[in-house]
Amino acid sequence: QKEVEQNSGPLSVPEGAIASLNCTYSDRGSQSFFWYRQYSGKSPELIMSIYSNGDKEDGRFTAQLNKASQYVSLLIRDSQPSDSATYLCAVNSSFQKLVFGTGTRLLVSP
Amino acid sequence: DAGVIQSPRHEVTEMGQEVTLRCKPISGHDYLFWYRQTMMRGLELLIYFNNNVPIDDSGMPEDRFSAKMPNASFSTLKIQPSEPRDSAVYFCASSSTGGAGGSTDTQYFGPGTRLTVL
Repeated sequence: QKEVEQNSGPLSVPEGAIASLNCTYSDRGSQSFFWYRQYSGKSPELIMSIYSNGDKEDGRFTAQLNKASQYVSLLIRDSQPSDSATYLCAVNSSFQKLVFGTGTRLLVSP
Repeated sequence: DAGVIQSPRHEVTEMGQEVTLRCKPISGHDYLFWYRQTMMRGLELLIYFNNNVPIDDSGMPEDRFSAKMPNASFSTLKIQPSEPRDSAVYFCASSSTGGAGGSTDTQYFGPGTRLTVL
């Protein structure tokens, strides 16, 4: 079993819809969780971090964490074509060490 | 403020040659990470340093790979000899423990080096 699992997609949504991206992890001791966005040919950039159970909102983005279910999600409201990218889930597996999922490709159609 | 700087951006070499990738972290950051990204395996951590000291190199695939950080503003990843299966994008990232993010703060990635070994 991979440490961090994501559906590779692509996840296709129409412009203006809500995109829901999901991630599961295997290490119950994980404390920090991150969502990175990576455009094709570019480097990953952090868009959300979450450390406690529940929801965390930042603009159109909402991260959700459920440690009991070992589940992290990212919701993107009012999706835009510019949101089309690969979204990487990352989990802190031990001090300062992140483990990344293989990413979910999101396609937002106009 | 300049971000993480990597050079070269692209490297094409022949099998058996030595390859050296370079990274300058963000000034003041005390952690530096080297990652490799491929379609098949995604983003993998190779090694990371804290205050110029290697902390975890368990991700380094083989003895052909080595990394150094002689000072706080420079790190190298060397592959000798290179093989076609080393072809990938290599990212350097840095972070600071001075933030509010618990045990792992935001990692800032450089633009990457696309390595092709023929």
